[in-house]
Amino acid sequence: LAKTTQPISMDSYEGQEVNITCSHNNIATNDYITWYQQFPSQGPRFIIQGYKTKVTNEVASLFIPADRKSSTLSLPRVSLSDTAVYYCLVGDMANDMRFGAGTRLTVKP
Amino acid sequence: EAGVAQSPRYKIIEKRQSVAFWCNPISGHATLYWYQQILGQGPKLLIQFQNNGVVDDSQLPKDRFSAERLKGVDSTLKIQPAKLEDSAVYLCASGPEDSTDTQYFGPGTRLTVL
Repeated sequence: LAKTTQPISMDSYEGQEVNITCSHNNIATNDYITWYQQFPSQGPRFIIQGYKTKVTNEVASLFIPADRKSSTLSLPRVSLSDTAVYYCLVGDMANDMRFGAGTRLTVKP
Repeated sequence: EAGVAQSPRYKIIEKRQSVAFWCNPISGHATLYWYQQILGQGPKLLIQFQNNGVVDDSQLPKDRFSAERLKGVDSTLKIQPAKLEDSAVYLCASGPEDSTDTQYFGPGTRLTVL
């Protein structure tokens, strides 16, 4: 199983760009990198997924270097409503995917 | 598109009692997952179904937990008997068969064992 390491918590202010980095040194060739967001009292919600280089959608960008041993979730101009726990998962077809403790992001006014 | 439905949303029982949770996945999704999320931790996969079959139940405490997926659609997760440490949120998720790993989660059932 590809293990992931993320910071336990991060603080930011409204309007700033937030970058959360995830380390996955033993990522396998077939593994994808997926990020989820979880608000209190809700189930996790899919944010973005990538395999290599850069992926961008309406919510976030995902940067993956050539060696794929890490990835960075970038949230542009965060607002208070982006306060949540962000999980980085690595795996193939969800068979080997495991949630870690995630990164608790707190956005302050 | 309707999301993943779960019931009940909350359940309080005493230890040694039994409890069952129900999940209705998104229509057409072949894969269904049950997770246990203890307060302050990430979700822990208990069991994964692909249609009717079990793909992964390595982390399911089989002495007290059981799960089934009826006709490849709805699923139930049962705990019998419950222990204090089973207090957690039980999340159900589903995913399409052709997805690499995108999962759509339900709102969860919060279980409190007294």
